Amino acid sequence: GAVVSQHPSRVICKSGTSVKIECRSLDFQATTMFWYRQFPKKSLMLMATSNEGSKATYEQGVEKDKFLINHASLTLSTLTVTSAHPEDSSFYICSAMGWDGYTFGSGTRLTVV
Amino acid sequence: KNQVEQSPQSLIILEGKNCTLQCNYTVSPFSNLRWYKQDTGRGPVSLTIMTFSENTKSNGRYTATLDADTKQSSLHITASQLSDSASYICVVSLRGSYIPTFGRGTSLIVHP
Repeated sequence: GAVVSQHPSRVICKSGTSVKIECRSLDFQATTMFWYRQFPKKSLMLMATSNEGSKATYEQGVEKDKFLINHASLTLSTLTVTSAHPEDSSFYICSAMGWDGYTFGSGTRLTVV
Repeated sequence: KNQVEQSPQSLIILEGKNCTLQCNYTVSPFSNLRWYKQDTGRGPVSLTIMTFSENTKSNGRYTATLDADTKQSSLHITASQLSDSASYICVVSLRGSYIPTFGRGTSLIVHP
């Protein structure tokens, strides 16, 4: 099936620094990718829809200056958590619409200390 | 409001037993319904996808059913294994929309 690669799988950063998470579609082109956040034992929450070559669409309550999304090519979307704080610690997952449906990345565990 | 409701919220069963998870939805216009398995600390992995005309679809020990009239789906797991312990998420897509609606998931724990 279609494969979405997400990197890194785990990252620990200091408060105030920025962290970039990459999401790549390996065997298909994705004009649209999605970024989710998931708290322990909770459902995935859509943060934003990433559109290749244009601005991302953010869900209500998600700070676009805090979570910068870039979708510069048909196979790569990045999420940058800027000026990270401990409350940004969470599990972040991307997904893309492949030829066999929605395919998710393996997720990134972000811990801000 | 388009919603996807899953039940039970959590379930504990013994290894080797069968179980059934439920998903009811109010999403309209309906396009398809997917069941995903999410292991702790991992991204969801697709188990089955069902469109309006499909009633049953199997993937190994997983069998999904869909009743588009009553807007209900179930995921039946046969002869459960310890590795089945995970969260099972029902995801429904609208016709003409890229953005799916997620259920909250059912947490399944299989004990030896």
